[in-house]
Amino acid sequence: GAGVSQSPSNKVTEKGKDVELRCDPISGHTALYWYRQSLGQGLEFLIYFQGNSAPDKSGLPSDRFSAERTGGSVSTLTIQRTQQEDSAVYLCASSLVSGRYGYTFGSGTRLTVV
Amino acid sequence: DQQVKQNSPSLSVQEGRISILNCDYTNSMFDYFLWYKKYPAEGPTFLISISSIKDKNEDGRFTVFLNKSAKHLSLHIVPSQPGDSAVYFCAASERGSGGSNYKLTFGKGTLLTVNP
Repeated sequence: GAGVSQSPSNKVTEKGKDVELRCDPISGHTALYWYRQSLGQGLEFLIYFQGNSAPDKSGLPSDRFSAERTGGSVSTLTIQRTQQEDSAVYLCASSLVSGRYGYTFGSGTRLTVV
Repeated sequence: DQQVKQNSPSLSVQEGRISILNCDYTNSMFDYFLWYKKYPAEGPTFLISISSIKDKNEDGRFTVFLNKSAKHLSLHIVPSQPGDSAVYFCAASERGSGGSNYKLTFGKGTLLTVNP
């Protein structure tokens, strides 16, 4: 597609439920990133995928968070047993090559845990 | 600890005047700095960047200045236009071993309002 697509755009879930957030990167972009923005905070790095290399999961806040990228394209971020502090906007970005240049962000998924 | 700080949550300027957005950082390993602009309900979009080997980078109405000794950078928008009204994020990247410079550390953002 023309841009990075994320779904759903909004998600309200009950505390303790699992959620899945989806990201479709720009076709041909080999690098994919997940960030989140909690209320009043800057964007926080979560995880990075590059081709077939092992992902950098160093930003995941707890073991309730996991992500995968299938076929080098679509990525899913899963949050198990959601907590209220997980409420945030989850942003996915992709880039043609790995590195700090040329990130294109999606519009994000606003997650609200009630 | 916040490694990238944008101490002004908001800024209001008149159309046609200069907007100056400031950013401070604490990590001396940062060697590349970026500014992103974000409209409501949209993802951030890249605006301009600067490498630590430079002290100024200009792109049209946008100029970024870097003062390494003060660990400070600023974004100047001249002249400001109502369409520039958005949240501006400062971000920094650290020269990383093993190619880990893809991680960006963001500030909390500054909401710029340009009044007609």
